[in-house]
Amino acid sequence: AQSVTQLGSHVSVSEGALVLLRCNYSSSVPPYLFWYVQYPNQGLQLLLKYTSAATLVKGINGFEAEFKKSETSFHLTKPSAHMSDAAEYFCAVSANYGGSQGNLIFGKGTKLSVKP
Amino acid sequence: KAGVTQTPRYLIKTRGQQVTLSCSPISGHRSVSWYQQTPGQGLQFLFEYFSETQRNKGNFPGRFSGRQFSNSRSEMNVSTLELGDSALYLCASRSQGGGGDEQYFGPGTRLTVT
Repeated sequence: AQSVTQLGSHVSVSEGALVLLRCNYSSSVPPYLFWYVQYPNQGLQLLLKYTSAATLVKGINGFEAEFKKSETSFHLTKPSAHMSDAAEYFCAVSANYGGSQGNLIFGKGTKLSVKP
Repeated sequence: KAGVTQTPRYLIKTRGQQVTLSCSPISGHRSVSWYQQTPGQGLQFLFEYFSETQRNKGNFPGRFSGRQFSNSRSEMNVSTLELGDSALYLCASRSQGGGGDEQYFGPGTRLTVT
């Protein structure tokens, strides 16, 4: 079975500071990993995805994430936070083969606040 | 290309009623998945349809059902509504349905059951 754990339901950073949102996964098969962002009253927008091509994945809006198999982690980072980054962020995993491929298993989410 | 659209955006129903939600995927996408989002349970997978066939199903009671039409549009139905069904229902589409394919989400339908 697959699962995702996001450490920290709320993270607060100052504008210009490093953003680090943590995600650990559990998967019995090689995973696909995703980060999504959700702004209030909106759906989910894909930030980036890992599909085994490269361990460091660059996404939109300056975000990137590094896949570390030994640590079963896929943490999301951004060097300098902007006020517009305030939103809720979700890490998700899916199987890369088998009948359940494509079902996204989501973490509980991390709300990011950015202080001026 | 137009994005995923969901109708209606907001819905208020009474306990015991039934409701139908609609999702139009991105043009050319054949896979449509549905997710329920609540503050307590977070985002949970309901089911996925691909080429009019249900391919995967999450752990929800039989009151939750869905279908997909030949034009890939999908509907989900919830019968005998319960207060706990109040949630944001999100639809996502992707092109072929492989596990690594990006899923594009619609804005959701906010269902309130009173």
